Amino acid sequence: DTAVSQTPKYLVTQMGNDKSIKCEQNLGHDTMYWYKQDSKKFLKIMFSYNNKELIINETVPNRFSPKSPDKAHLNLHINSLELGDSAVYFCASSLSGHNEKLFFGSGTQLSVL
Amino acid sequence: EDQVTQSPEALRLQEGESSSLNCSYTVSGLRGLFWYRQDPGKGPEFLFTLYSAGEEKEKERLKATLTKKESFLHITAPKPEDSATYLCAVVTNAGKSTFGDGTTLTVKP
Repeated sequence: DTAVSQTPKYLVTQMGNDKSIKCEQNLGHDTMYWYKQDSKKFLKIMFSYNNKELIINETVPNRFSPKSPDKAHLNLHINSLELGDSAVYFCASSLSGHNEKLFFGSGTQLSVL
Repeated sequence: EDQVTQSPEALRLQEGESSSLNCSYTVSGLRGLFWYRQDPGKGPEFLFTLYSAGEEKEKERLKATLTKKESFLHITAPKPEDSATYLCAVVTNAGKSTFGDGTTLTVKP
């Protein structure tokens, strides 16, 4: 069983479209995250949710909206996609907060054409 | 501003040739330093957590150490399957995490 699973694996879309990425964890963790990894492998945190409550919201355009229907799921919706949004997006979870080790999903490679 | 710098950016070793990766950090109060391994097309996988200067952790051919300014990931007698990108991340007392850019290790047989 995959601990942190995200779908889709690949997402190719046109500029201006709206898309969503889904994430689910079956580890019973309280905290979930979205990270963005650019072409230089730099991982930057975007959002963090603890028990469905938003606790970290880094400087991310408001075109990005996370949604956590329950503590096992954290989805990412992106409106009006731009070329610069192309990257790999990783979902992760941890037992509690940031001082815990992170369990990552396998990533969603987003390409905006 | 919290900063994490990893060096070298890329490292090519022959099988059996030991070496070290460096992670230098400047943060306002370190809660913990984490090492992850990332294989192509996959998410980072946790390796170690270090909390205080002088602490060391080992796992197979890998050993991580921590000082007040940097952490080293020592790789002893590496094998081709150790080829990956190694990422370090620091978490501050304020709960903020910052990742380094990673070191891509290639071990040739």
